[in-house]
Amino acid sequence: EAGVAQSPRYKIIEKRQSVAFWCNPISGHATLYWYQQILGQGPKLLIQFQNNGVVDDSQLPKDRFSAERLKGVDSTLKIQPAKLEDSAVYLCASSLVPNTEAFFGQGTRLTVV
Amino acid sequence: AQTVTQSQPEMSVQEAETVTLSCTYDTSESNYYLFWYKQPPSRQMILVIRQEAYKQQNATENRFSVNFQKAAKSFSLKISDSQLGDTAMYFCALGGAQKLVFGQGTRLTINP
Repeated sequence: EAGVAQSPRYKIIEKRQSVAFWCNPISGHATLYWYQQILGQGPKLLIQFQNNGVVDDSQLPKDRFSAERLKGVDSTLKIQPAKLEDSAVYLCASSLVPNTEAFFGQGTRLTVV
Repeated sequence: AQTVTQSQPEMSVQEAETVTLSCTYDTSESNYYLFWYKQPPSRQMILVIRQEAYKQQNATENRFSVNFQKAAKSFSLKISDSQLGDTAMYFCALGGAQKLVFGQGTRLTINP
């Protein structure tokens, strides 16, 4: 069974630029999560999808972050414009049932300079 | 709101020793799940063990076992016969109807 795929693995951008991350969950997993993990901290949920609908985006900075999962499969997370404090690892995960056993991708390390 | 607290930022033990990582949580839900995840330096999060709240029996996976104290809202992870490959960040997580939330992690180092 293929795991959660994420790209790119690394990205370096200047502040005020835009960036996008892509995630393809495990086949058949209806729930998709985007987490932000700042160095030395635990993952913080940014947004959670159930199929192509948003079920939780309470911690997503909506003035600069956006995410979509148009066909209920893969998803894109965008930051525009980026700030220095957005430097983090962005983790995508998926699960068969919401808020249960989640499987993670390798993450994208974003550095904003 | 759901919260997860890991009070040990770092731990270090010798290879082959047994180590216990602590986790406490808070939730108002009666049906929930608890997890321990491992994140090696390569950073991919890997599920180590899971526990359903309705099950009284503590979960076990080879060298990994949990001590689930529901009334105390405590969920500790015991690693027996620790190996160098166990060196990683360990995160406790709580899932339920609301969301899947993680603790701040414990950095575990196994020394040769």
